[in-house]
Amino acid sequence: DAGITQSPRYKITETGRQVTLMCHQTWSHSYMFWYRQDLGHGLRLIYYSAAADITDKGEVPDGYVVSRSKTENFPLTLESATRSQTSVYFCASSVSSSNQPQHFGDGTRLSIL
Amino acid sequence: RKEVEQDPGPFNVPEGATVAFNCTYSNSASQSFFWYRQDCRKEPKLLMSVYSSGNEDGRFTAQLNRASQYISLLIRDSKLSDSATYLCVVILRFQKLVFGTGTRLLVSP
Repeated sequence: DAGITQSPRYKITETGRQVTLMCHQTWSHSYMFWYRQDLGHGLRLIYYSAAADITDKGEVPDGYVVSRSKTENFPLTLESATRSQTSVYFCASSVSSSNQPQHFGDGTRLSIL
Repeated sequence: RKEVEQDPGPFNVPEGATVAFNCTYSNSASQSFFWYRQDCRKEPKLLMSVYSSGNEDGRFTAQLNRASQYISLLIRDSKLSDSATYLCVVILRFQKLVFGTGTRLLVSP
């Protein structure tokens, strides 16, 4: 029962580089989400997806790109990483109902030097 | 005003104590409410949903007050393992969750 997995767990990269964070879920949940968590801000939604090929912006989408070609995968790409994108990134998924909670992956700790 | 506000704490309590946290939300159209628990920057984990009539799960009781726009979490007989950050989560509209910044609880022997 893998649930939802993120990779890599830790990543260090340099400013200007492209980096992709992977998220995979085995529950066939329709909805998937990307959050970042920073001290003093709590979790902030970057992008979400209601189904394959359907994505939408969250609260802080600038500098990020997502895709959802398959229901189970929801990669997040930083096209040109900046220091301000140093954060802990969490992927989450949920069933289709708006009243259902989300289940989170272990997180990716990303440092941009 | 933040959409969801929590007292950051920390709340320091001895084992066996009862402790309560509140969380206020600003949007009266908020649909659903949850408490999550997060340990040391690990992933948030669902603790319990919050229902209009109030609900209990073992030592944990959650309540919703729509008139005053807050939810609460009561923990009875605190354990050392309850030490964590408790996140209040509000669904404002279809699948848009807003997280509070969390309340830190420290339970000491």
